[in-house]
Amino acid sequence: EAQVTQNPRYLITVTGKKLTVTCSQNMNHEYMSWYRQDPGLGLRQIYYSMNVEVTDKGDVPEGYKVSRKEKRNFPLILESPSPNQTSLYFCASSLTDREGYTFGSGTRLTVV
Amino acid sequence: AQSVTQPDIHITVSEGASLELRCNYSYGATPYLFWYVQSPGQGLQLLLKYFSGDTLVQGIKGFEAEFKRSQSSFNLRKPSVHWSDAAEYFCAVGAKEYGNKLVFGAGTILRVKS
Repeated sequence: EAQVTQNPRYLITVTGKKLTVTCSQNMNHEYMSWYRQDPGLGLRQIYYSMNVEVTDKGDVPEGYKVSRKEKRNFPLILESPSPNQTSLYFCASSLTDREGYTFGSGTRLTVV
Repeated sequence: AQSVTQPDIHITVSEGASLELRCNYSYGATPYLFWYVQSPGQGLQLLLKYFSGDTLVQGIKGFEAEFKRSQSSFNLRKPSVHWSDAAEYFCAVGAKEYGNKLVFGAGTILRVKS
């Protein structure tokens, strides 16, 4: 089944403890992206990638890192999480810029 | 920079009634436009998309949307709403010049009353 898989689905962590949210797609898509969703703000793009080793900042990149060493994987790294990064995170992928994204099921992160 | 406005935070319609969700975008060139739906606790599902050609596009679940360049709008419509359509709907805009940097509106929550 064609899909975007994120792990974990739920995560509670403490301030300052480094964490990684994994994202993998099995559709051979070129484009991948990370979004965070907060009530009343919709989805805001954190980082995106147009190909292996090509990444760029979205609208809210502060406090996040990404890497794209292989086409299928696009992990999101929080080096030192803070409570304002408590949010619902989505990974997404697409074949081209006109096709629209396929989204993962989301990761609900709570930083205490 | 691209921006998307969904003027209605909440909309309530009766089952069987028609629906129109509004979306306005701000972008100079020809945008790529999308509508997504998110059911509670779920990810986002693509309903339909527009990037060129016929300005009236058909999507899944009986939805359609019309691109109006003069009004910078891409409103979503459905002739007869079903209770299962209750969800949050997001309009999004992209452009070739921005790669795959897709900008989303804040969303419209649709409630369906029986």
